[in-house]
Amino acid sequence: NAGVMQNPRHLVRRRGQEARLRCSPVKGHSHVYWYRQLPEEGLKFMVYLQKENIIDESGMPKERFSAEFPKEGPSILRIQQVVRGDSAAYFCASSEGMAGNQPQHFGDGTRLSIL
Amino acid sequence: QKEVEQNSGPLSVPEGAIASLNCTYSDRVSQSFFWYRQYSGKSPELIMSIYSNGDKEDGRFTAQLNKASQYVSLLIRDSQPSDSATYLCAVEIQGAQKLVFGQGTRLTINP
Repeated sequence: NAGVMQNPRHLVRRRGQEARLRCSPVKGHSHVYWYRQLPEEGLKFMVYLQKENIIDESGMPKERFSAEFPKEGPSILRIQQVVRGDSAAYFCASSEGMAGNQPQHFGDGTRLSIL
Repeated sequence: QKEVEQNSGPLSVPEGAIASLNCTYSDRVSQSFFWYRQYSGKSPELIMSIYSNGDKEDGRFTAQLNKASQYVSLLIRDSQPSDSATYLCAVEIQGAQKLVFGQGTRLTINP
């Protein structure tokens, strides 16, 4: 399967713990996007990264959230000191070129549940 | 005004009929538009992209774009129960290098 791979598919954390979500883009794609989706709502943009660079993090909360896309390895979305409101589905997408020029392809998502 | 607006539905269409989904957007200079299908509990799946005014057909799907009126639509001909899903409209925000999604329209095809 050469698609976007996300893991884990489901993640349960207690309040105050850290959540770490991983995303491996389609082979050859160097653009990665993270989105959050609450039940019955659309996708909300969080952050756009290229290898080793954060291009746009305007949709990401200023505190507790961070993202990286290292030269080697998957992109990581990290949520520190999780709260109940962080419960959502987190989707990663990748594209070959910039958003708009190339369509984005989505992974299966990570469903994060906070106890 | 939201950047991308869709009627959240639900939209019910009898099997075999044409389903029409609409989307309006606020950014006049947007150039790229996408329709995604999302089944419950699953990831969004790209089904159509359109970049210029007019119609674009792919099988039973037709995307229509009118930049002057700032709307994009998706028509599904010969609707099947398997088409029942939420359809997300996504618009490129010029210069921002990102897509903005509408809230989605839930479509139900009734056998």
